[in-house]
Amino acid sequence: NAGVTQTPKFRVLKTGQSMTLLCAQDMNHEYMYWYRQDPGMGLRLIHYSVGEGTTAKGEVPDGYNVSRLKKQNFLLGLESAAPSQTSVYFCASSYQGANGQPQHFGDGTRLSIL
Amino acid sequence: LAKITQPISMDSYEGQEVNITCSHNNIATNDYITWYQQFPSQGPRFIIQGYKTKVTNEVASLFIPADRKSSTLSLPRVSLSDTAVYYCLVGSLAGNTPLVFGKGTRLSVIA
Repeated sequence: NAGVTQTPKFRVLKTGQSMTLLCAQDMNHEYMYWYRQDPGMGLRLIHYSVGEGTTAKGEVPDGYNVSRLKKQNFLLGLESAAPSQTSVYFCASSYQGANGQPQHFGDGTRLSIL
Repeated sequence: LAKITQPISMDSYEGQEVNITCSHNNIATNDYITWYQQFPSQGPRFIIQGYKTKVTNEVASLFIPADRKSSTLSLPRVSLSDTAVYYCLVGSLAGNTPLVFGKGTRLSVIA
């Protein structure tokens, strides 16, 4: 009964380093999402995917890339990390889009860029 | 993008009904309104979703007036375990309409 699993849970990077955050869901959901959460800002959508092999930009996509090679996985990449990308990152999935379908969230990845 | 406004914080005593209002003046025709609850160090958890009028489930009610420019989450008889941050989400992704979260309302329930 895993739901949405995010890996890793914590990470510290130096400016300019790259890394990939992994999101896996076992609910056979079509839609997957990546958000960032900053103090006082709520959650902001970075990128999302409406199905395997598709991706689309959200509200704050700059500095991030994503891939959805398998239906159950959604990867978020930082090619050259910047201190402004220090945040908590949440992945979510839903059976269909946001209409009538709740998003199921993982417990987040806390990322610090020094 | 839809502009979402929620109160920053609210306090309530145990057993009281709590109403949290979300303002979304430029909501689009296809947009749904969804509320999530978040505890520290956890991801948001779905509470309720609606499009218009009133929706009720086992934990909450959602009231949406005819103009849909606001919505009110109603939590009946809150307990200490309802202390959390509550987020309003507006959007649908239909026609590329984005999903926009409010900044959250921190509810503190007092014994």
